[in-house]
Amino acid sequence: NAGVTQTPKFQVLKTGQSMTLQCAQDMNHEYMSWYRQDPGMGLRLIHYSVGAGITDQGEVPNGYNVSRSTTEDFPLRLLSAAPSQTSVYFCASSYLRGEQFFGPGTRLTVL
Amino acid sequence: DAKTTQPNSMESNEEEPVHLPCNHSTISGTDYIHWYRQLPSQGPEYVIHGLTSNVNNRMASLAIAEDRKSSTLILHRATLRDAAVYYCILSSSGGSNYKLTFGKGTLLTVNP
Repeated sequence: NAGVTQTPKFQVLKTGQSMTLQCAQDMNHEYMSWYRQDPGMGLRLIHYSVGAGITDQGEVPNGYNVSRSTTEDFPLRLLSAAPSQTSVYFCASSYLRGEQFFGPGTRLTVL
Repeated sequence: DAKTTQPNSMESNEEEPVHLPCNHSTISGTDYIHWYRQLPSQGPEYVIHGLTSNVNNRMASLAIAEDRKSSTLILHRATLRDAAVYYCILSSSGGSNYKLTFGKGTLLTVNP
């Protein structure tokens, strides 16, 4: 069991570039989500999904897109990167009434 | 969503018990109380959760006040590996634990 995996671990982008952060889980969890964590702050929910084909917005969705074509994968797309999106991004998964399992995070810097 | 209030930081000595408080005076009847912790440079990890009754697991105990307006996470014997930020979170969707709202949490320092 690999749990929740995220790639890449580190990424540097220039303003205006686009990229996709990958998240995968092998626990057959229905629920997956993306959070961002800015320095000294708690995590804020970006987008979440309660199953394949279903996504919804969290607290800070602007500038990000998601899709859920399979149970295992939940990629996060940055459409046009901005310095304000410099953060650590965490993906999580769970059963709908179970504990959340978090990935190791992707550290993104936008110049 | 109901909010939680935690101290910014707490300090403990190794092998002593630690009581981490959390106030949630606006909690609703269907809100579960969750605790997660985040070790340095890692993603959060689940610690414990409960609804009304006190809960125990291999990591910690959760003591919930009778009026449910506060709770306490108890680490029975702190170790250096318990140094982390601890988050007290209320679920916003009845018994489901998704859509968790993380505050700033309590930074626990454990002294050797």
